[in-house]
Amino acid sequence: AQSVTQLDSQVPVFEEAPVELRCNYSSSVSVYLFWYVQYPNQGLQLLLKYLSGSTLVKGINGFEAEFNKSQTSFHLRKPSVHISDTAEYFCAVSDLGTNAGKSTFGDGTTLTVKP
Amino acid sequence: GAVVSQHPSRVICKSGTSVKIECRSLDFQATTMFWYRQFPKQSLMLMATSNEGSKATYEQGVEKDKFLINHASLTLSTLTVTSAHPEDSSFYICSARDPSRHPYTEAFFGQGTRLTVV
Repeated sequence: AQSVTQLDSQVPVFEEAPVELRCNYSSSVSVYLFWYVQYPNQGLQLLLKYLSGSTLVKGINGFEAEFNKSQTSFHLRKPSVHISDTAEYFCAVSDLGTNAGKSTFGDGTTLTVKP
Repeated sequence: GAVVSQHPSRVICKSGTSVKIECRSLDFQATTMFWYRQFPKQSLMLMATSNEGSKATYEQGVEKDKFLINHASLTLSTLTVTSAHPEDSSFYICSARDPSRHPYTEAFFGQGTRLTVV
């Protein structure tokens, strides 16, 4: 069984400040890791994903995340946030192989960017 | 590429009626689709895995007779909420896996359907 823990339910931050959204996961097998963003009443938009290789992954909208296998973490970062980054962010893991795409999600982190 | 579309985006139905939600892969053939449910301010919970041409696999605790899933073609899966009640009001999201992108790495999400049962 897999589980995902997003350590912060809400993160308020001022515009142009850096931000880190934390995600830890648990799995007995290798997994793929994802970060998604969700705006109100919309579906999920993929920010970035870690499949293999370099542990630092760059995504859209200036976001990046670092995979740390020993700490089973996949924290999301952005050096300077904008008001438009205000949204719900979900960390997710997915099995490999035939179960790929079947995802387990964290509870989400609400990022609020203040002017 | 890899676009998934859901219809309708919003639906309001009366208690006791049934409502059908469609999930279509627009530019690929999806042998596998996933249905999720999201309550307000909560995470996404996997309801079932839909496989083209076979019965869906439901997660523990999901009522098969309540949430009917049909994956009759390679581009369309439908979720029918039967005899809907207010507690079924939720945001339903589908995702689809593109088998041409082997090895499989991810599924692509639709924009979601907001169901309100009154």
